[in-house]
Parts: sequence; structure tokens; C-alpha cells
Amino acid sequence: GNSVTQMEGPVTLSEEAFLTINCTYTATGYPSLFWYVQYPGEGLQLLLKATKADDKGSNKGFEATYRKETTSFHLEKGSVQVSDSAVYFCALITGGGADGLTFGKGTHLIIQP
Amino acid sequence: DAGVIQSPRHEVTEMGQEVTLRCKPISGHDYLFWYRQTMMRGLELLIYFNNNVPIDDSGMPEDRFSAKMPNASFSTLKIQPSEPRDSAVYFCASSSYGGGTDTQYFGPGTRLTVL
Repeated sequence: GNSVTQMEGPVTLSEEAFLTINCTYTATGYPSLFWYVQYPGEGLQLLLKATKADDKGSNKGFEATYRKETTSFHLEKGSVQVSDSAVYFCALITGGGADGLTFGKGTHLIIQP
Repeated sequence: DAGVIQSPRHEVTEMGQEVTLRCKPISGHDYLFWYRQTMMRGLELLIYFNNNVPIDDSGMPEDRFSAKMPNASFSTLKIQPSEPRDSAVYFCASSSYGGGTDTQYFGPGTRLTVL
């Protein structure tokens, strides 16, 4: 079956630090990969996605590259801000038809001023 | 667009009571998904619909859970009777064409507490 593994944290960084949140996956077929972000008290928002190997998704200074050879989709940002504090979820979906997303457990990111 | 709308945002009930959660998907989206988020199990898919028809309900935990989609703009998730272990945040999401490259848009969630 499908699964997603990510560091759970909490991850605490200072403002302007470099961020990496690791995500690896196991999937049947060729998945599409996603990062969602959940701010306190809110639902999940799509942050970025990549639908095939070597694609790079990017948004709001965040980026992640779909690495098929290492089955990874690590999230990076060069300089984090206090407003980036949230929970980040790596997720995948497989197949050409519809299906539900398979999520990692989420990584709680705390950015200190 | 208003996005996916869920109600209520918070629900507190007593064990044994019936609970109904509601969702309005984004207009024009053909797929609707119900997820549950708990500390222990994270985010799990419960059921999803295509054009109002349930396609996969293998994630529904027990017969106490049921979901319906009577029309393209409304879905309900019902728990009867509710139990304390049902306490969780329930999310509804919708997507346009449901393919593997499509994006699912999530509502704000309903936080359910069963005492």
C-alpha cells in the first residue's frame, strides 16, 4: 500500500534560518506528490505539488523536488519567517483515477523571532 | 468562490447522541472527500463521492458512520450513536476532476468532542 513518512517535530528555528522538512514515500504506480500547510485553527491549504519525476513545485518561497530515485519530496525554504509557523503535511495520490490522499503525520514548525 | 464550507465548526455532544456534520463543496467540483484527523492516526480518508455517488467507503470505521450526498452542493457525515473515540477533526474536501494530478481543496473542518 501507499505510505508517507516525514519528521514529526516540533521543529524550532529562528527567523531567517534555512528550512528542510524531509518526506519519503512508498507507493504503487507513479504518484503525484503534495505539500499541504495547516495554520492554527484552519483547514489544510495546498502549498505546492509535483506530478512527475524531477518536477519542482514552488510557492511562497517554498520548494520541493520530486525525486523518484530516492522516493523523496523534501520541503525547503531559504529564509523562514514567523508567519511560516504551522503544521506541514506531505501527501501523495496514485493512479489516473480519483482516490484519497495518503498523508504523512505532519511536521509542526515553530519559527522564533 | 467561497471555498469548501463546513458546519458546524465545533460540536460537543454526549456519548450515544447522533451527530451530523455538513459540507458544501466548491461549485462545479465533481468529487467530494471526507477525512478524519486524530493525534494517533493522523489524517485518514473515510469516504469519497463522484457526482454524488459513493465510490469508496472502505475507510469508514464502523456501521455507526454513514455519509450521503443528496445533490452536488451538499453532503453529510452522520455518526449514530457517537462514542468518545470518535472525537476528532473532520474535514471535507472537493476536487474538480479527481485525477491523480488534481488538487483537493479542504474546508476548515469540524472539531467534534464526544463526552
